[in-house]
Amino acid sequence: GEDVEQSLFLSVREGDSSVINCTYTDSSSTYLYWYKQEPGAGLQLLTYIFSNMDMKQDQRLTVLLNKKDKHLSLRIADTQTGDSAIYFCAETFNSGYALNFGKGTSLLVTP
Amino acid sequence: DAGVTQSPTHLIKTRGQHVTLRCSPISGHKSVSWYQQVLGQGPQFIFQYYEKEERGRGNFPDRFSARQFPNYSSELNVNALLLGDSALYLCASSLGVAGANVLTFGAGSRLTVL
Repeated sequence: GEDVEQSLFLSVREGDSSVINCTYTDSSSTYLYWYKQEPGAGLQLLTYIFSNMDMKQDQRLTVLLNKKDKHLSLRIADTQTGDSAIYFCAETFNSGYALNFGKGTSLLVTP
Repeated sequence: DAGVTQSPTHLIKTRGQHVTLRCSPISGHKSVSWYQQVLGQGPQFIFQYYEKEERGRGNFPDRFSARQFPNYSSELNVNALLLGDSALYLCASSLGVAGANVLTFGAGSRLTVL
């Protein structure tokens, strides 16, 4: 698929909120996802949002979706050092059976 | 319950060789997908299989092939290895039904081609 764009790096202080942004490409994507990858590990699904929703909240995570601008964001409240990882945004393609990932945003949380 | 298991975890091959990577999905999951993650990049879709049938294929050469077995496990084969095939190969399983295609990933097989 075409490029899903993410900023490459974000640094925040422990306890602050983190906001990771993503611009996706396919306006027909039915679901959009956020995955987390820790060093040496596979990808862990954090949350996903259906394309007809504007917002989804799940504990410390808030996802905002702006379909007009094809913009997706992930807000992590009260960020902890254990949140340090690479975060990937992904959109569905291939009739919904495959995911097109961004290059990932590396989040560093400092004490 | 066991998650998605992949083997081997690490392997080193030389150019021109062939490699087979294996994946066992979560029990009850009928779909398996393969992704290639080159260092510093996001995962790239290679294949998806559902009920032993290929459902989708990414933009990869014919050197890449895969299959799914009756027990829903899967193999990814890569022939005539190139240096550029060095990557983390991720397998993911899902129920494969309509709706949110929630993929559960394994830890990956890290392939180094020398």
